[in-house]
Amino acid sequence: DAGVIQSPRHEVTEMGQEVTLRCKPISGHNSLFWYRQTMMRGLELLIYFNNNVPIDDSGMPEDRFSAKMPNASFSTLKIQPSEPRDSAVYFCASSPRAGGGTQYFGPGTRLLVL
Amino acid sequence: AQSVAQPEDQVNVAEGNPLTVKCTYSVSGNPYLFWYVQYPNRGLQFLLKYITGDNLVKGSYGFEAEFNKSQTSFHLKKPSALVSDSALYFCAVRDFSANQAGTALIFGKGTTLSVSS
Repeated sequence: DAGVIQSPRHEVTEMGQEVTLRCKPISGHNSLFWYRQTMMRGLELLIYFNNNVPIDDSGMPEDRFSAKMPNASFSTLKIQPSEPRDSAVYFCASSPRAGGGTQYFGPGTRLLVL
Repeated sequence: AQSVAQPEDQVNVAEGNPLTVKCTYSVSGNPYLFWYVQYPNRGLQFLLKYITGDNLVKGSYGFEAEFNKSQTSFHLKKPSALVSDSALYFCAVRDFSANQAGTALIFGKGTTLSVSS
């Protein structure tokens, strides 16, 4: 199994630009999670989906952030417009229905907003 | 509210010595507990979990964790540390606060383990 796939691995952009992060979960997993990791705030859950439906988006920092999961094999996290304080590593994770809650993480996207 | 705490920001041990990384939790009901490890510039890797059964859970890379209900703890242990064990370790608890189908995890702030040669 290829594991959770994220793209791009690195992104450098300028303030005000739109950023789209992509995630392909492990095949057969029915839950998908987006996290953000920074030195200051640690690991934060942004949003998660069960069966492609958003369940809890209370961690999304503000309206500039949006996430979609159009099908079971693809999700996007979009930031528009981006700001320097959005600079972080963004992780996607997926979880199988019968895994007891075990999540499997992707390698992350390192975002730098100048 | 459900929560998990890692009281130590950093743990330093010498190679070959036993190591313990501490975790305490607060949940209503039976806890589902997890340990993850993060190496530099990598994603989190699942190490082990406790759902039910034996209080001593064995996981990857020789790690184990002991579930202690009376002390609400789930400490990560290894009998003999390796330099390659140096990494950031996260404890997590499954979040059932929304509903029983919830699969979100609540993560601790992480503990940096440094193993010296």
